Amino acid sequence: DIVMTQSPDSLAVSLGERATINCRSSQSVFYTSNNKNYIDWYQQKPGQPPKLLIYWASTRESGVPDRFSGSGSGTDFTLTISSLQAEDVAVYYCQQAFTAPLTFGGGTTVEIK
Amino acid sequence: EVQLVESGGGLVQPGESLKLSCAASGFTFSGSPMHWVRQASGKGLEWVGHIKRKPYATEYGASVKGRFSISRDDSKNMAYLQMGSLKVEDTAVYYCTTVVRGISAFDAWGQGTMVTVSS
Repeated sequence: DIVMTQSPDSLAVSLGERATINCRSSQSVFYTSNNKNYIDWYQQKPGQPPKLLIYWASTRESGVPDRFSGSGSGTDFTLTISSLQAEDVAVYYCQQAFTAPLTFGGGTTVEIK
Repeated sequence: EVQLVESGGGLVQPGESLKLSCAASGFTFSGSPMHWVRQASGKGLEWVGHIKRKPYATEYGASVKGRFSISRDDSKNMAYLQMGSLKVEDTAVYYCTTVVRGISAFDAWGQGTMVTVSS
């Protein structure tokens, strides 16, 4: 199974500042047939289901603010919130969709400093 | 509008069975894989398993393999999660989720249904 390791477990960022979340997969999730990394990022607020933010490592989902961006390739990936807003307080998960069993990172809690 | 609505959750005793349902609408159900993801209280997300479109191949996570079974009825736009030999550690919110647009990710989620396994 592919193990997804997220860091940090939590971070506190001032409003308007940058938040960076890292995600590492235990093996490459890069599909050579279509040149895509099968990493997705989700945001989850209390009492709600997860919401898709980023797919294929760097493609922003429709309607997601452009302060959210994803980067990385192979085994190392990053979700960046360029200017943290109050509504961004949530838990963020990475997930590999490369092969079953699909696996999630442990989550990163983002709070306001 | 894409909608997924789970039902069937509740309180059961260890060793018992329970069947969850997921009613889908707003997209071409028969063309989409259906997944189940669970989340224990205060914990992270765990992929339970999925059923692909015809011919309906299934795959499961290690913690539920052999105990849980996923099925679907394309004529009714329904997916199911049959859970057997339930354990206390199966207690969680169970989400039905899918890929509507042919991307890699879950772009539609239900609100979840709570399953509590306790004596």
